[in-house]
Formats: sequence, C-alpha cells, structure tokens
Amino acid sequence: SAVISQKPSRDICQRGTSLTIQCQVDSQVTMMFWYRQQPGQSLTLIATANQGSEATYESGFVIDKFPISRPNLTFSTLTVSNMSPEDSSIYLCSVGVTSPGGEQYFGPGTRLTVT
Amino acid sequence: LAKTTQPISMDSYEGQEVNITCSHNNIATNDYITWYQQFPSQGPRFIIQGYKTKVTNEVASLFIPADRKSSTLSLPRVSLSDTAVYYCLVGDPWAGGSYIPTFGRGTSLIVHP
Repeated sequence: SAVISQKPSRDICQRGTSLTIQCQVDSQVTMMFWYRQQPGQSLTLIATANQGSEATYESGFVIDKFPISRPNLTFSTLTVSNMSPEDSSIYLCSVGVTSPGGEQYFGPGTRLTVT
Repeated sequence: LAKTTQPISMDSYEGQEVNITCSHNNIATNDYITWYQQFPSQGPRFIIQGYKTKVTNEVASLFIPADRKSSTLSLPRVSLSDTAVYYCLVGDPWAGGSYIPTFGRGTSLIVHP
C-alpha cells in the first residue's frame, strides 16, 4: 500500500496566478498520476508522471498550463498556471503499485477555487 | 484503450446484496479489471481486482465471465456507509509507461435505511 499526502488541501486563488500542488508518498513508487475532478463528475487524467521520464499529458492538457516535476520516487508537483475560473476543481495525486496487485492509491485531493 | 460502461446510479436498502455491472467489450488480453470506491471529498479507494472467473476479498466479490467483456462487483449486505460512487477500470497496470488508468463515469450507489 501507499499513503499519499497533498499540500495545500485547499486554496482560493486569483485569476492569472499560479498554484503549485505538492504530492508526497510514504514509499518509493515509479508510476504517478495527476487527475482533476469537477464536483459531481468523474476523474479526468491530466498526466502520467513516471520517475525517470518526461510527464505524458492527456488530450486537452498541455505542459505550459500544467507543468509537472518528478524529482524522485516519493515526490511530485503539479502547477496550475495562469489560472482561470474554469480551473476550479479538485486535483488528485495517485500512485500505481505493481506488487502484489496493480492497484492505485490516491491522495486526499487539493480543492482549488479560482476567483 | 478499453472503455467501460456502468449504470449511472443504483438504489438499495440496508442488508441487501448489490450487484454493479461494468461492460468492457474491448478489453485486451493483458488487461485486468479493477474497482474503486469513492466517498465525497475523498480520493478513490481500491476495492478489488481480477482477471477472470471470481475473486473475493473481505469487502466484495468480483465475477468475470469467460469472455471477459463484462464484470460484476457484488457487495454483500450493504450498509448506509456503502453509499458512494463505484468505478470500474480496465487496463494493464504492469504495462509501465503505456498504462493509462482512465476512469469512466462510475455508478452512484445510494443505500437507504
């Protein structure tokens, strides 16, 4: 298993500014994922951030808007840049483990409100 | 990439067995089926995973027919605390960088007293 913490847990930001979300894992993991979840909606995968390679972004998400760092096997950051009200959402960090099973563990999320 | 289809919502009563079915017609040979539970204001939590036939753990059972084009999550004797959204995912977690865990719309289960 893996225990994940995220900082901040919530924030209210002005449009045009940037926010960096931190994700800390209590064990070393290779696979890490960043999701966005609107209230009442499913999770949308933003990018895969596997250690040792560049982040891979899903359709509709670009590195200039959501730069990701993955400096080691226990930590990652997601930055939401030049924010607009449409970026208001919950951002979730997740890790994938392959032993013994191939399940994912999720952080508690960061609730972002852009005004 | 295998897509999944689940009922949007289900209602049940305490003590009943609940079965949630997920369709995944395009499942690949190496894909596994994984179910997650999500409560409001929390990240999803792993429930159960399987490849074929039947898997059971302390909280649920997973039934997968021979053609693997669908799966059924079975929750025995649900309680109010089982009210949550349940997601079915299909993919190969051991595929390394090519693994793209995509969540479908999920099934909102409401358990009534």
